[in-house]
Amino acid sequence: EVQLVESGGGLIQPGGSLRLSCAASGFTVSSNYMSWVRQAPGKGLEWVSLIFTGGSTYYADSVKGRFTISRDISKNTLYLQMNSLRAEDTAVYYCARVGGSNGGPIDYWGQGTLVTVSS
Amino acid sequence: EIVMTQSPATLSVSPGERATLSCRASQSVSSNLAWYQQKPGQAPRLLIYGASIRATGIPARFSGSGSGTEFTLTISILQSEDFAVYYCQQYNKWPPQVTFGQGTRLEIK
Repeated sequence: EVQLVESGGGLIQPGGSLRLSCAASGFTVSSNYMSWVRQAPGKGLEWVSLIFTGGSTYYADSVKGRFTISRDISKNTLYLQMNSLRAEDTAVYYCARVGGSNGGPIDYWGQGTLVTVSS
Repeated sequence: EIVMTQSPATLSVSPGERATLSCRASQSVSSNLAWYQQKPGQAPRLLIYGASIRATGIPARFSGSGSGTEFTLTISILQSEDFAVYYCQQYNKWPPQVTFGQGTRLEIK
C-alpha cells in the first residue's frame, strides 16, 4: 500500500528556514516524479516543486531560489528545504506522488503538514 | 502558463440530484485532465484522470468528459459524502506548468 507521511511543519518567523520531510512506503521515491503542493488557509491548491525520476528539479516562480526539493533513496524520503520564509508561504504542504512513468495526475497525497510563518 | 477556470465557484444541489461541474483550459491540454475531491481537513483525492477514467475505488456515479479545453465532472446521484470542494488539474505540460483550477464548492441545497 502506498503511503506518504509528512513531518517538519510548525511555526517559524519570517526569514527563517524549515525542512519538511515525506516518508514514503509501498513504492520507491525515485521511481516516480514526486511533488510538493501547498494550500494556504481557505484557498486552493498551488503546485510548489517537482523532482523527476532522474533527479532534475523544478519550482514555481513564487518559491524559486528559496526552496529546494530533494530525496534520499536510502531512506525513501522526499524533502523540501524552505529558506527565507515569508508570511505568504503559510500553508498546508502536501507531499504528492505523480502517477505514470511520464508525468500523470497526482495519484497519492500525504496528509499534509502545516507551516505557519509569523512573528 | 495554462490557466484553468472552474465554474461555478459554488454549486448548491440537493441529495439525490445530479451535479455538473465545469473546467476550462486557456489552451488545449488534450485529455491530460484530472479531477480531485477535497473534504475539510483532508488531503485531495484523485477521482478522474485522462479526462474520463475513474481512479481506483471511485464510484460509478462520478464521470468525467471532455477534451481539449472544455471538461465536465458529473455526479449522477449526489450522496451526502459527495459534498466537498472539487479541483481540476491539467498535466499536459508537466513540468514546469502544473496548474489547478480554483475549485468548485459543492454544497447541500
